[in-house]
Amino acid sequence: DSGVTQTPKHLITATGQRVTLRCSPRSGDLSVYWYQQSLDQGLQFLIQYYNGEERAKGNILERFSAQQFPDLHSELNLSSLELGDSALYFCASSVFSGGLQETQYFGPGTRLLVL
Amino acid sequence: LAKTTQPISMDSYEGQEVNITCSHNNIATNDYITWYQQFPSQGPRFIIQGYKTKVTNEVASLFIPADRKSSTLSLPRVSLSDTAVYYCLVGDSNYGGSQGNLIFGKGTKLSVKP
Repeated sequence: DSGVTQTPKHLITATGQRVTLRCSPRSGDLSVYWYQQSLDQGLQFLIQYYNGEERAKGNILERFSAQQFPDLHSELNLSSLELGDSALYFCASSVFSGGLQETQYFGPGTRLLVL
Repeated sequence: LAKTTQPISMDSYEGQEVNITCSHNNIATNDYITWYQQFPSQGPRFIIQGYKTKVTNEVASLFIPADRKSSTLSLPRVSLSDTAVYYCLVGDSNYGGSQGNLIFGKGTKLSVKP
């Protein structure tokens, strides 16, 4: 158990819909990362937040957005869902001391299925 | 953008040493190289991290040559429980003017047989 929690564990929805994935980092970690993992694309970095502020952006679609709240939990919002958005979404956290090379602790993931 | 290349799969037998190499061109001066292990339906788990030369911990060693354009994860005496996907991660500080991007390789699926 990494100490990172993600909800829900599974999510089934329809094309065009909007969903919100939630992540609680390890106690004491200030930074949260979001990743998408699909069979054909591997593990793709989406976005990083540090103490409520966006820190780094990866291959995140405009239909996706995220935020980190004052209590440090984070939400990833996926809208206008398409079949291709079906994937495992991971959240990770780290203490964060200034770079992207810190050890990241990954949550168990949310499996999203868009029908 | 730094890109990484790893073998798609590798097979080994219990008790053997396994070496997985990751190629990463355009790695930035300040970037570290990190390896993660992932079991099916679980999040990746940190194995080891290094900058140059050799790093060793209780589970693995990491070899990085002077030009840092590649790295090799070495797993001594693997067991069946080491069957997993192994990812090489390179922090890319040259992306988009922001703090950077994180480029995971496609991963190497290691199968350990009895």
